[in-house]
Amino acid sequence: SAVISQKPSRDICQRGTSLTIQCQVDSQVTMMFWYRQQPGQSLTLIATANQGSEATYESGFVIDKFPISRPNLTFSTLTVSNMSPEDSSIYLCSVGPESTDTQYFGPGTRLTVL
Amino acid sequence: AQTVTQSQPEMSVQEAETVTLSCTYDTSENNYYLFWYKQPPSRQMILVIRQEAYKQQNATENRFSVNFQKAAKSFSLKISDSQLGDTAMYFCAFYQGGSEKLVFGKGMKLTVNP
Repeated sequence: SAVISQKPSRDICQRGTSLTIQCQVDSQVTMMFWYRQQPGQSLTLIATANQGSEATYESGFVIDKFPISRPNLTFSTLTVSNMSPEDSSIYLCSVGPESTDTQYFGPGTRLTVL
Repeated sequence: AQTVTQSQPEMSVQEAETVTLSCTYDTSENNYYLFWYKQPPSRQMILVIRQEAYKQQNATENRFSVNFQKAAKSFSLKISDSQLGDTAMYFCAFYQGGSEKLVFGKGMKLTVNP
Protein backbone atom coordinates (compact mmCIF):
# COMPACT_ATOMS: atom_id res chain seq x y z
CA SER A 1 0.00 0.00 0.00
CA ALA A 2 1.08 3.62 -0.59
CA VAL A 3 2.50 5.76 2.19
CA ILE A 4 0.61 9.02 2.36
CA SER A 5 1.45 12.12 4.35
CA GLN A 6 -0.57 15.26 4.97
CA LYS A 7 0.42 18.70 6.14
CA PRO A 8 -0.55 20.28 8.43
CA SER A 9 -1.78 17.59 10.81
CA ARG A 10 -3.97 20.16 12.53
CA ASP A 11 -4.60 23.87 12.51
CA ILE A 12 -6.73 26.49 14.17
CA CYS A 13 -7.78 29.28 11.84
CA GLN A 14 -9.75 32.47 11.99
CA ARG A 15 -13.01 33.00 10.17
CA GLY A 16 -12.57 34.41 6.67
CA THR A 17 -9.07 33.09 6.11
CA SER A 18 -7.92 30.22 3.87
CA LEU A 19 -5.89 27.10 4.57
CA THR A 20 -4.06 24.90 2.08
CA ILE A 21 -3.66 21.23 2.94
CA GLN A 22 -0.95 19.21 1.24
CA CYS A 23 -1.06 15.52 0.41
CA GLN A 24 2.11 13.67 -0.60
CA VAL A 25 2.31 10.04 -1.76
CA ASP A 26 5.45 7.92 -1.93
CA SER A 27 4.56 6.47 -5.33
CA GLN A 28 2.91 7.68 -8.50
CA VAL A 29 -0.85 7.35 -8.48
CA THR A 30 -3.45 8.24 -11.05
CA MET A 31 -6.27 9.24 -8.78
CA MET A 32 -6.33 11.18 -5.56
CA PHE A 33 -9.40 11.97 -3.51
CA TRP A 34 -10.27 14.56 -0.91
CA TYR A 35 -12.80 13.84 1.83
CA ARG A 36 -14.37 15.85 4.60
CA GLN A 37 -15.35 14.28 7.90
CA GLN A 38 -17.45 16.55 10.06
CA PRO A 39 -17.45 15.91 13.82
CA GLY A 40 -19.00 12.57 14.64
CA GLN A 41 -19.89 11.90 11.03
CA SER A 42 -18.82 9.62 8.23
CA LEU A 43 -16.65 10.62 5.29
CA THR A 44 -18.01 12.74 2.47
CA LEU A 45 -16.18 12.94 -0.84
CA ILE A 46 -15.32 16.49 -1.82
CA ALA A 47 -13.63 15.88 -5.16
CA THR A 48 -11.52 13.57 -7.27
CA ALA A 49 -8.21 14.92 -8.56
CA ASN A 50 -6.50 13.45 -11.59
CA GLN A 51 -3.16 14.72 -12.73
CA GLY A 52 -3.39 16.98 -15.73
CA SER A 53 -7.09 17.66 -15.55
CA GLU A 54 -9.54 19.71 -13.54
CA ALA A 55 -10.80 18.16 -10.34
CA THR A 56 -14.26 16.66 -10.37
CA TYR A 57 -16.41 17.98 -7.52
CA GLU A 58 -19.26 16.22 -5.80
CA SER A 59 -22.65 17.76 -5.34
CA GLY A 60 -22.53 20.46 -2.69
CA PHE A 61 -18.86 21.30 -3.18
CA VAL A 62 -17.60 24.02 -5.49
CA ILE A 63 -14.21 24.96 -6.83
CA ASP A 64 -14.33 28.51 -5.47
CA LYS A 65 -14.64 27.18 -1.94
CA PHE A 66 -12.38 24.13 -2.28
CA PRO A 67 -9.82 24.72 -5.04
CA ILE A 68 -7.64 21.69 -5.70
CA SER A 69 -4.31 21.38 -7.44
CA ARG A 70 -2.72 18.22 -8.79
CA PRO A 71 0.60 19.25 -10.32
CA ASN A 72 2.08 15.74 -10.57
CA LEU A 73 1.40 12.09 -9.85
CA THR A 74 2.56 12.21 -6.21
CA PHE A 75 1.14 15.46 -4.85
CA SER A 76 -2.10 17.36 -4.41
CA THR A 77 -3.37 20.30 -2.41
CA LEU A 78 -6.82 21.23 -1.15
CA THR A 79 -7.54 24.80 -0.13
CA VAL A 80 -10.41 25.63 2.17
CA SER A 81 -11.29 29.22 1.31
CA ASN A 82 -13.05 31.96 3.23
CA MET A 83 -13.48 29.66 6.18
CA SER A 84 -16.36 29.64 8.62
CA PRO A 85 -16.87 27.57 11.79
CA GLU A 86 -18.95 25.13 9.71
CA ASP A 87 -15.73 24.16 7.90
CA SER A 88 -14.33 22.71 11.12
CA SER A 89 -13.71 19.09 10.15
CA ILE A 90 -11.11 16.48 9.46
CA TYR A 91 -9.93 16.59 5.87
CA LEU A 92 -8.47 13.41 4.44
CA CYS A 93 -6.80 12.62 1.19
CA SER A 94 -6.74 9.15 -0.27
CA VAL A 95 -5.23 7.41 -3.26
CA GLY A 96 -6.36 4.56 -5.43
CA PRO A 97 -7.90 2.39 -6.52
CA GLU A 98 -5.33 1.64 -9.20
CA SER A 99 -5.07 -2.11 -9.79
CA THR A 100 -6.19 -3.16 -6.34
CA ASP A 101 -9.51 -1.33 -6.29
CA THR A 102 -8.62 -0.18 -2.81
CA GLN A 103 -8.27 3.34 -1.44
CA TYR A 104 -5.63 4.16 1.14
CA PHE A 105 -5.87 7.21 3.32
CA GLY A 106 -3.58 9.85 4.65
CA PRO A 107 -3.50 10.65 8.37
CA GLY A 108 -5.92 13.55 8.00
CA THR A 109 -5.84 17.24 8.86
CA ARG A 110 -7.93 18.42 11.77
CA LEU A 111 -9.16 21.94 11.08
CA THR A 112 -10.81 24.16 13.65
CA VAL A 113 -12.24 27.49 12.56
CA LEU A 114 -12.93 30.09 15.21
CA ALA B 1 -27.33 4.86 -6.12
CA GLN B 2 -25.50 2.51 -3.83
CA THR B 3 -26.11 2.82 -0.11
CA VAL B 4 -24.34 1.33 2.88
CA THR B 5 -26.11 0.88 6.20
CA GLN B 6 -24.56 0.30 9.58
CA SER B 7 -27.44 0.02 11.97
CA GLN B 8 -25.49 -0.29 15.21
CA PRO B 9 -24.09 3.10 16.21
CA GLU B 10 -22.10 1.78 19.13
CA MET B 11 -20.95 -1.46 20.76
CA SER B 12 -18.71 -2.45 23.61
CA VAL B 13 -16.97 -5.73 24.29
CA GLN B 14 -14.60 -7.17 26.87
CA GLU B 15 -11.01 -7.81 25.97
CA ALA B 16 -10.45 -11.27 24.43
CA GLU B 17 -14.10 -11.64 23.45
CA THR B 18 -15.45 -11.92 19.92
CA VAL B 19 -17.63 -9.21 18.42
CA THR B 20 -19.51 -8.93 15.13
CA LEU B 21 -20.20 -5.64 13.38
CA SER B 22 -23.03 -5.60 10.87
CA CYS B 23 -23.27 -3.89 7.51
CA THR B 24 -25.79 -4.09 4.70
CA TYR B 25 -25.64 -2.49 1.31
CA ASP B 26 -27.82 -1.94 -1.69
CA THR B 27 -26.73 -2.30 -5.27
CA SER B 28 -27.95 -3.74 -8.54
CA GLU B 29 -24.42 -4.33 -9.79
CA ASN B 30 -22.40 -7.54 -9.80
CA ASN B 31 -18.87 -6.17 -9.96
CA TYR B 32 -18.07 -4.49 -6.67
CA TYR B 33 -15.83 -4.56 -3.63
CA LEU B 34 -16.55 -4.21 0.05
CA PHE B 35 -14.26 -2.89 2.75
CA TRP B 36 -14.02 -2.39 6.45
CA TYR B 37 -11.96 0.57 7.60
CA LYS B 38 -10.95 1.35 11.15
CA GLN B 39 -10.48 4.88 12.47
CA PRO B 40 -8.90 5.05 15.93
CA PRO B 41 -8.78 8.32 17.87
CA SER B 42 -5.66 9.24 15.92
CA ARG B 43 -8.15 9.73 13.01
CA GLN B 44 -6.09 7.71 10.49
CA MET B 45 -8.36 5.58 8.31
CA ILE B 46 -6.86 2.11 8.25
CA LEU B 47 -7.94 -0.65 5.90
CA VAL B 48 -8.97 -3.70 7.92
CA ILE B 49 -10.21 -6.10 5.29
CA ARG B 50 -11.35 -6.25 1.69
CA GLN B 51 -13.78 -8.55 -0.13
CA GLU B 52 -14.34 -8.93 -3.85
CA ALA B 53 -17.98 -9.63 -4.67
CA TYR B 54 -17.10 -12.29 -7.22
CA LYS B 55 -15.31 -14.38 -4.60
CA GLN B 56 -17.45 -16.75 -2.58
CA GLN B 57 -14.77 -17.33 0.01
CA ASN B 58 -14.93 -14.99 2.96
CA ALA B 59 -11.86 -12.80 3.45
CA THR B 60 -9.77 -13.17 6.59
CA GLU B 61 -6.91 -11.11 8.00
CA ASN B 62 -5.51 -12.53 11.22
CA ARG B 63 -8.16 -11.85 13.91
CA PHE B 64 -10.51 -10.19 11.44
CA SER B 65 -12.88 -12.09 9.18
CA VAL B 66 -16.01 -11.30 7.24
CA ASN B 67 -19.28 -13.04 6.63
CA PHE B 68 -20.19 -12.04 3.10
CA GLN B 69 -23.75 -12.94 2.13
CA LYS B 70 -24.13 -11.68 -1.43
CA ALA B 71 -27.77 -12.59 -1.92
CA ALA B 72 -28.70 -10.91 1.35
CA LYS B 73 -26.35 -7.98 0.61
CA SER B 74 -24.79 -8.37 4.01
CA PHE B 75 -21.15 -7.88 4.94
CA SER B 76 -20.41 -8.33 8.63
CA LEU B 77 -17.02 -8.08 10.31
CA LYS B 78 -16.00 -10.48 13.06
CA ILE B 79 -13.21 -9.52 15.41
CA SER B 80 -11.85 -12.42 17.41
CA ASP B 81 -9.83 -12.12 20.62
CA SER B 82 -10.60 -8.40 20.89
CA GLN B 83 -7.74 -6.18 21.99
CA LEU B 84 -7.72 -2.74 23.56
CA GLY B 85 -6.17 -1.40 20.36
CA ASP B 86 -9.28 -2.42 18.45
CA THR B 87 -11.14 0.47 20.07
CA ALA B 88 -12.07 2.70 17.13
CA MET B 89 -14.76 3.79 14.73
CA TYR B 90 -15.40 1.13 12.11
CA PHE B 91 -16.70 2.06 8.69
CA CYS B 92 -18.13 -0.29 6.11
CA ALA B 93 -17.56 0.87 2.53
CA PHE B 94 -18.69 -0.12 -0.95
CA TYR B 95 -16.84 0.38 -4.20
CA GLN B 96 -18.29 -0.37 -7.59
CA GLY B 97 -15.67 -1.35 -10.11
CA GLY B 98 -15.09 1.53 -12.51
CA SER B 99 -17.07 4.06 -10.52
CA GLU B 100 -13.98 5.43 -8.72
CA LYS B 101 -16.04 6.27 -5.64
CA LEU B 102 -16.14 4.75 -2.21
CA VAL B 103 -19.50 4.88 -0.47
CA PHE B 104 -19.26 4.79 3.31
CA GLY B 105 -21.67 3.77 6.00
CA LYS B 106 -22.21 6.05 8.99
CA GLY B 107 -19.76 4.13 11.12
CA MET B 108 -19.92 2.28 14.40
CA LYS B 109 -18.02 3.06 17.55
CA LEU B 110 -16.44 -0.03 19.11
CA THR B 111 -15.04 0.10 22.60
CA VAL B 112 -12.95 -2.76 23.95
CA ASN B 113 -12.88 -2.78 27.74
CA PRO B 114 -10.13 -4.32 29.88
